[in-house]
Amino acid sequence: DAGITQSPRHKVTETGTPVTLRCHQTENHRYMYWYRQDPGHGLRLIHYSYGVKDTDKGEVSDGYSVSRSKTEDFLLTLESATSSQTSVYFCAISDPAGGQETQYFGPGTRLLVL
Amino acid sequence: EDQVTQSPEALRLQEGESSSLNCSYTVSGLRGLFWYRQDPGKGPEFLFTLYSAGEEKEKERLKATLTKKESFLHITAPKPEDSATYLCAVQATGNNRLAFGKGNQVVVIP
Repeated sequence: DAGITQSPRHKVTETGTPVTLRCHQTENHRYMYWYRQDPGHGLRLIHYSYGVKDTDKGEVSDGYSVSRSKTEDFLLTLESATSSQTSVYFCAISDPAGGQETQYFGPGTRLLVL
Repeated sequence: EDQVTQSPEALRLQEGESSSLNCSYTVSGLRGLFWYRQDPGKGPEFLFTLYSAGEEKEKERLKATLTKKESFLHITAPKPEDSATYLCAVQATGNNRLAFGKGNQVVVIP
């Protein structure tokens, strides 16, 4: 199994509060991604990172920000959580330059915004 | 815009009853097509990558095939432990992003 952990695994929060989700990898992969998964939708890309301090937006980035200060950690922040951000969030990693095109996923964080 | 459509959305099979899942895609240029398996409450687990039309890959009771417009995941003589949601995704040339379909939910009944 790819060495990817996500924390917390479950979180309940209230509308308007800030929330930060963490993804940690032990594979030294260059690329890291944040997805959300909702019923009736496929996995949708929120943001991704292609190196330390290098990030870019995905298809559903509004209301989210990310940071990557170390290779192994990629943080997703909801500045002011809304009920529409209730979802399951998955982190993924890949290393195309290292011959690893495949994205490997973490176990997910289930977030409920009340 | 890259698009992936998976059918059927849900499938119930008797143990031993072989079937196929379809993934139709449109992409500007295909870099790779990926199949994942996802169990309830868990993250997607990688199964296969296919790169060019005519390519086939197998793993136990699963076989993935690829044409220029679609991919099939064939499940031969399924067992209850093959029950899962199977996800298809495409990656376009020059892009590290994946576009996912909504998945095929498979239930295998003993």
